[in-house]
Amino acid sequence: DAGITQSPRHKVTETGTPVTLRCHQTENHRYMYWYRQDPGHGLRLIHYSYGVKDTDKGEVSDGYSVSRSKTEDFLLTLESATSSQTSVYFCAISKRVDNSPLHFGNGTRLTVT
Amino acid sequence: RKEVEQDPGPFNVPEGATVAFNCTYSNSASQSFFWYRQDCRKEPKLLMSVYSSGNEDGRFTAQLNRASQYISLLIRDSKLSDSATYLCVVNSYYAGGTSYGKLTFGQGTILTVHP
Repeated sequence: DAGITQSPRHKVTETGTPVTLRCHQTENHRYMYWYRQDPGHGLRLIHYSYGVKDTDKGEVSDGYSVSRSKTEDFLLTLESATSSQTSVYFCAISKRVDNSPLHFGNGTRLTVT
Repeated sequence: RKEVEQDPGPFNVPEGATVAFNCTYSNSASQSFFWYRQDCRKEPKLLMSVYSSGNEDGRFTAQLNRASQYISLLIRDSKLSDSATYLCVVNSYYAGGTSYGKLTFGQGTILTVHP
């Protein structure tokens, strides 16, 4: 399995609080992604990174920010959590952008009360 | 129309059965294709890439039809352990600049294999 670690694995937080999720990889892959998965919507891209300090928005980026200060770490921050951000969050990595598949971390279950 | 569409199922089949899933995609510029499986409360895992000429990996066969814009997954001799959700993934790669491979996931097809 690809070396991807997400932390925390589970988190419960209150509406309005900031939350940071961490993704750490040991594969030295250039591309990193944050997805959320919700019933009825499947996996949706939040943000992605194509290198250190290089990030861009995905299809559901509102309310989220990211940072990548090192190749191995990609952080997802919810500035002020809302109940609609209750979801399962997956980090993924890929070696190339063309025909390279994604490899996923084991996910973070976030509940916003 | 969704970019990637799958029959959500569920498919309930007995052990030993052959089952096939189809997936259609709307972007004719799509360039690479994958099948993932996802077990309950787990992360998606790559099952196999799908090549233009079709490819096989043990009991699993994947086919691509670019003209009709669909891919398929055939599972032969189903096992109880094949019970999972199968995700169709399509990658539309945009060349140049800071482009990335836009991977679009289908919502998944649920398969349950029973004794």
